[in-house]
Amino acid sequence: ETGVTQTPRHLVMGMTNKKSLKCEQHLGHNAMYWYKQSAKKPLELMFVYSLEERVENNSVPSRFSPECPNSSHLFLHLHTLQPEDSALYLCASSHEASGRYNEQFFGPGTRLTVL
Amino acid sequence: DAKTTQPTSMDCAEGRAANLPCNHSTISGNEYVYWYRQIHSQGPQYIIHGLKNNETNEMASLIITEDRKSSTLILPHATLRDTAVYYCIVRVPRGFQKLVFGTGTRLLVSP
Repeated sequence: ETGVTQTPRHLVMGMTNKKSLKCEQHLGHNAMYWYKQSAKKPLELMFVYSLEERVENNSVPSRFSPECPNSSHLFLHLHTLQPEDSALYLCASSHEASGRYNEQFFGPGTRLTVL
Repeated sequence: DAKTTQPTSMDCAEGRAANLPCNHSTISGNEYVYWYRQIHSQGPQYIIHGLKNNETNEMASLIITEDRKSSTLILPHATLRDTAVYYCIVRVPRGFQKLVFGTGTRLLVSP
């Protein structure tokens, strides 16, 4: 247990569906991240939220829409996805402060399959 | 961020020490070396980090060469549960951390 939980753990959806991934951290961190890991590819950073504001968007298609209502919760809203969006979606959190080493703690991921 | 080079894969016998090398010849003075690992179908797990001194925690030891151009992660008594992909990342620990994961080293611990 890393203190970062993700739900659901597995999700199968059609291309016309709308679904949301949820991440919750219980570590008192103030930065949260979404990563995508496709088969046999390195992790790709998608979004970063720091103090509930989005500070980075790595050219992610608009069919992925993040939401950070507070420092403990992060959502990834999905709509009209493509089969190539099938991947492991990982959430992470860290404590952003000067003088700290900012290691990230990852959740277990959501395995997404788009049919 | 400095680029890192790691072997694609390594094998280790259970109970023996696993020594995982990482080259980071372009590292700058304020960059730290971080190690993470990812067990199959799980999220990455932070292991250890260091600047220039050797570091040890309950999971592993990190040896950084004097010129800081390479480092070695040591798992002193590898177990089957240490089978994972190990990532070496070099960067400055500023504000929020954009981790750039390469392909890492796939460590297989066998009985």
